[in-house]
Order: sequence, then structure tokens, then C-alpha cells
Amino acid sequence: RKEVEQDPGPFNVPEGATVAFNCTYSNSASQSFFWYRQDCRKEPKLLMSVYSSGNEDGRFTAQLNRASQYISLLIRDSKLSDSATYLCVVNMPGTALIFGKGTTLSVSS
Amino acid sequence: GAVVSQHPSWVICKSGTSVKIECRSLDFQATTMFWYRQFPKQSLMLMATSNEGSKATYEQGVEKDKFLINHASLTLSTLTVTSAHPEDSSFYICSAGAGARNIQYFGAGTRLSVL
Repeated sequence: RKEVEQDPGPFNVPEGATVAFNCTYSNSASQSFFWYRQDCRKEPKLLMSVYSSGNEDGRFTAQLNRASQYISLLIRDSKLSDSATYLCVVNMPGTALIFGKGTTLSVSS
Repeated sequence: GAVVSQHPSWVICKSGTSVKIECRSLDFQATTMFWYRQFPKQSLMLMATSNEGSKATYEQGVEKDKFLINHASLTLSTLTVTSAHPEDSSFYICSAGAGARNIQYFGAGTRLSVL
């Protein structure tokens, strides 16, 4: 079983749509969770951390279910500029990040 | 957020050439930096963990004699691809952690093309 699994997509949605991405991780000892965004041929950039209580940043909402080892990202009111690959990332202190393969989102007008 | 600078951003070289990539943390100190490689349409794969003042830790399947890592200061780690071959062509990215949560910040990446 892969350490971090994501549906690769692509998710093709119109502007204004709400879209949700899911991710599962295998190591129950994982302690930190993030969503990164990667544009084509660019480095990943931190989108948001994911906290146990769930957290929201503008149009983006992240949730964590430790019991199910499941992380989600919800994007409301999609914009063209949201088109990118979204990487689910888990971490244990002092170790490198473990990346999912990413979910590709394409928002069209 | 913290800034990680990576240089060069793009390298085209002949087979057999050695290529050095630098990764600098500009506004914070990093005792640990990480080097990743990403092939087209693939996820980032950790190559090695670079530790300041000590030997790097390499992931299984990564040749330490081919990918030389030096982390001589708290703000600089270098990755040297020795005797590069076309199969080494890839996107190489470094990261360093900052803050209490050790959030990883990435350099802009180096796109290596070996002819």
C-alpha cells in the first residue's frame, strides 16, 4: 500500500464550482499534514496546513480524520487560477515530507 | 514565508558532465535540507536528507557516489550529479524546514537536461 494515496483526476470543473479532493495515508504515526499546490513545471508551494479540528482559509477548507487516516480539501467558487495539481503531504517530525502523486484540477470558463 | 533559493534553475549539459546545484535558506538556518527528484507526471521522490556537518542520508536506490551532497553550513546544501547521463534528466528540488511546525519551503527547482 502506498504511503499517501490520491485520486490523480483530472477534475474538470467550470468556474464557480465546488470541488473536493480526498487523500489517505498509511502511517498512523504521521503527525503533520499539508496541502501543497504545484503548477506545471514549478516547485510545490504550501497551500495550507491541515489541523485535526479542520481549518478554513478563504475558499479552501481542509479536514483531517485521524481515525480513518483521511484528509480532504474543499475548494469553493473555483477560479481559473485554481487550475493546478494539489499534493497531499504527510510528515513526521524530523523526516522529509511524503507526497501523494497529486490531483490535477482544471477549471474552465 | 521563509525563502529557499535554488540555483541554477535550468541546466543543459553533455553526457559525462558533473552538475552542481545549490540550495540556500535565505532568512533562516536549516540543519536539515531535503533533496527530491520529480520525473514528468510523477510525484516528488525523496532522494536524500542533507544534514549540516555530517553525511547525508540517502534513500534506497539512490547512489550516494553519483549524487554527492554537501551541507557545510546552516544555510547551504549542494547536490552534485556526477557524470550525468540522459536518464538523470529530471526536475531536482530542495526543501528546508522553518518554524515550530517545521513547514517545508521549496527552492524553485532545477531542471536538468542531459544530452
